[in-house]
Amino acid sequence: DAGVIQSPRHEVTEMGQEVTLRCKPISGHDYLFWYRQTMMRGLELLIYFNNNVPIDDSGMPEDRFSAKMPNASFSTLKIQPSEPRDSAVYFCASSTQGGLITDTQYFGPGTRLTVL
Amino acid sequence: DAKTTQPTSMDCAEGRAANLPCNHSTISGNEYVYWYRQIHSQGPQYIIHGLKNNETNEMASLIITEDRKSSTLILPHATLRDTAVYYCIVRVYSGGGADGLTFGKGTHLIIQP
Repeated sequence: DAGVIQSPRHEVTEMGQEVTLRCKPISGHDYLFWYRQTMMRGLELLIYFNNNVPIDDSGMPEDRFSAKMPNASFSTLKIQPSEPRDSAVYFCASSTQGGLITDTQYFGPGTRLTVL
Repeated sequence: DAKTTQPTSMDCAEGRAANLPCNHSTISGNEYVYWYRQIHSQGPQYIIHGLKNNETNEMASLIITEDRKSSTLILPHATLRDTAVYYCIVRVYSGGGADGLTFGKGTHLIIQP
């Protein structure tokens, strides 16, 4: 299994530009999570999906952020327009309710976003 | 979810057992203790979890006190690759669905050669 795949691994953009981060969860997992990590705030949950449906987006910082999951194997996190304070590492994670080790989340390698 | 308290950092000699403590004095009866770690520049990685019994897997052991107010993660033979930030997370698992993880600041474990 390839694990959770995220792209791009690094993104540098200028303030005001649109940024799209992508995630492919582990096949068969029915939960997908987006987290953000900064030095100041640590790791924080932004939004998560169950069976492609957003369940809790209370962590999304503001309307500039949006996330979609059009199918079970793909999700995007979009920032439009981007600002320097959005600079962070964005992680995607997936999990499944099946099996004995329930609710274990598997994280991708992250996308390091720098907004100039 | 219950709040956890962990030391900011710890050192351990390579080859020795690393014992990482976590206090969770307000834990509820239906809350599990989870441990994740994050190696530099990587995503967090699940290590182990438990409810009230001690647990062991290929990575580590988890010792939970009888009153469940604290726990210890044990890495039996620490290697340099175990240098990471270790997060203790207490959360409800109801079996009805997952939700996001709430990460604290964790313990930065440094394995010394």
